[in-house]
Amino acid sequence: DAGVTQSPTHLIKTRGQQVTLRCSPKSGHDTVSWYQQALGQGPQFIFQYYEEEERQRGNFPDRFSGHQFPNYSSELNVNALLLGDSALYLCASRQGMNLNEQFFGPGTRLTVL
Amino acid sequence: AQTVTQSQPEMSVQEAETVTLSCTYDTSESDYYLFWYKQPPSRQMILVIRQEAYKQQNATENRFSVNFQKAAKSFSLKISDSQLGDAAMYFCAYRRGSGGGADGLTFGKGTHLIIQP
Repeated sequence: DAGVTQSPTHLIKTRGQQVTLRCSPKSGHDTVSWYQQALGQGPQFIFQYYEEEERQRGNFPDRFSGHQFPNYSSELNVNALLLGDSALYLCASRQGMNLNEQFFGPGTRLTVL
Repeated sequence: AQTVTQSQPEMSVQEAETVTLSCTYDTSESDYYLFWYKQPPSRQMILVIRQEAYKQQNATENRFSVNFQKAAKSFSLKISDSQLGDAAMYFCAYRRGSGGGADGLTFGKGTHLIIQP
């Protein structure tokens, strides 16, 4: 049983560009959350998707948007990239909207030059 | 807003010894959950242990146990019989119990645990 998978593993972009990161949840999971982890910091919650809708959002600008597909996979889009967007982006999935354990993926390392 | 503070950027312990990682948090909620996550160099965040705020009994998972002091808003992690594989970043995290589950985790900045052979 594959766990949470994310692609790509690493990505390099330049300021002003747009990026799309992808996440496939663990089998049987239907809720996906995204986190940003800057170097030397703890992860920060970006948003959460359930039933193809954004259910909760952290303190991130509108440049950060997402989508969830009918197969529960999810995308994180970031527009107008800034140097400060350089970070490890983590995806986490769980079953339902209750307090089941979240399983994290290995992350996508985004570098903005 | 909730905050989570880990005051120890780095801790070092001899293999087979016991180490305690500290975490304090601030919240006005009465219903919440606390977690310790481990992040090895592979970057994949792994849940170590979970504590429900309404439970007075401290959670235990094999060599890992917590000391949950609700009044003091303190949530420390004790690792007994430390092993080389325990070396990692450890993050303390908080989550509201209400809100229908639609809340993300609030993490501390982490403690880098070094195991000396």
